[in-house]
Amino acid sequence: AQSVSQHNHHVILSEAASLELGCNYSYGGTVNLFWYVQYPGQHLQLLLKYFSGDPLVKGIKGFEAEFIKSKFSFNLRKPSVQWSDTAEYFCAVNEGFQKLVFGTGTRLLVSP
Amino acid sequence: DTEVTQTPKHLVMGMTNKKSLKCEQHMGHRAMYWYKQKAKKPPELMFVYSYEKLSINESVPSRFSPECPNSSLLNLHLHALQPEDSALYLCASSYREYQETQYFGPGTRLLVL
Repeated sequence: AQSVSQHNHHVILSEAASLELGCNYSYGGTVNLFWYVQYPGQHLQLLLKYFSGDPLVKGIKGFEAEFIKSKFSFNLRKPSVQWSDTAEYFCAVNEGFQKLVFGTGTRLLVSP
Repeated sequence: DTEVTQTPKHLVMGMTNKKSLKCEQHMGHRAMYWYKQKAKKPPELMFVYSYEKLSINESVPSRFSPECPNSSLLNLHLHALQPEDSALYLCASSYREYQETQYFGPGTRLLVL
């Protein structure tokens, strides 16, 4: 069964710092990859997704992610974070006719 | 419009009560999902409906009973819940069941006393 690892459970950054959140998945076949964000008190929102094509995916709010098939990774990046990026970030993967599997989440705190 | 709505936002119920959660989408999606999310944990899949038929039940206790009256509506009937069932219950929908982006509602925060 597919599993998803997010190695950074808590990340604290100052505003304007660069962000990279790791995501690794276990299955090496055809996968769909997602990053969702959950702002405090709000619902899960889609940040970006990868189905096929260009492995560098751009999402909303200046986020991007790179799919590296050889490393089973889909890391999330942002060049310069803002206080409003404080949230929990979930990586999620589904493969073929399987359910969406979420990572354990990374809680990001951006200090002003 | 990628909106999934859920009612109520908050619900407090006793262990002998019967209540229902409601989810609605008007995006023409044919797959709808119930997830349970405990604090500081990722969402866990409970049920999937595809074309109004139950497709997946992730071994959820029978005190949770899903219902899909039509392609836009999804209900979750609750009966004789336990305090450990307190959680955020999320509804999601997607165009089809597999290999599609799921859009989530705001959730119903449930407290079982």
